[in-house]
Amino acid sequence: AAGVIQSPRHLIKEKRETATLKCYPIPRHDTVYWYQQGPGQDPQFLISFYEKMQSDKGSIPDRFSAQQFSDYHSELNMSSLELGDSALYFCASSLPWGDGNTEAFFGQGTRLTVV
Amino acid sequence: AQKITQTQPGMFVQEKEAVTLDCTYDTSDPSYGLFWYKQPSSGEMIFLIYQGSYDQQNATEGRYSLNFQKARKSANLVISASQLGDSAMYFCAMREGPGSTLGRLYFGRGTQLTVWP
Repeated sequence: AAGVIQSPRHLIKEKRETATLKCYPIPRHDTVYWYQQGPGQDPQFLISFYEKMQSDKGSIPDRFSAQQFSDYHSELNMSSLELGDSALYFCASSLPWGDGNTEAFFGQGTRLTVV
Repeated sequence: AQKITQTQPGMFVQEKEAVTLDCTYDTSDPSYGLFWYKQPSSGEMIFLIYQGSYDQQNATEGRYSLNFQKARKSANLVISASQLGDSAMYFCAMREGPGSTLGRLYFGRGTQLTVWP
């Protein structure tokens, strides 16, 4: 079965550079979530999209932006990168929460290292 | 306030024994879902088991069962017959309010489980 695809899997950037992370949800999933997991930390919710509109916003820095495109894939754009942005970034997709749908399916993550 | 609390930073269990990982949660929403995820050292987040707030029975999935005590707001994960491959970080998570387009997951800090031979 198709899973959530994230690219790239690994990314190394220098401070003040820009990074773009991509997420391809499971077909027919219209909701995408982004999470950031720092080293030794629990995942923290950043932002989510439902039907290409931002649906919820968490602790996402102003330097970050995200969008969901017409084909439902999503991109997380990160500018002016800082050392503290080094983390594992997860994308998850789901059908709308409720109506018997319960699970959010996670991608394998993008490990970003800022040097 | 922390919505999910996992009080065991690390747990050790011998192979073939059962182990319980603790999780308590805090919400005022009558509708919510509780999840357990496994994260091996490779980093991926693997879904293990789900319990809905209105489910009458405790959820089970193979060797995993969820001991759901609603009045105590606890959702402990029980792994029976532990295997070496169960060594990983385990996260308890919660979603509030099904029926909305939100549904973000709140995670606990995790419990590192080590299974020894």
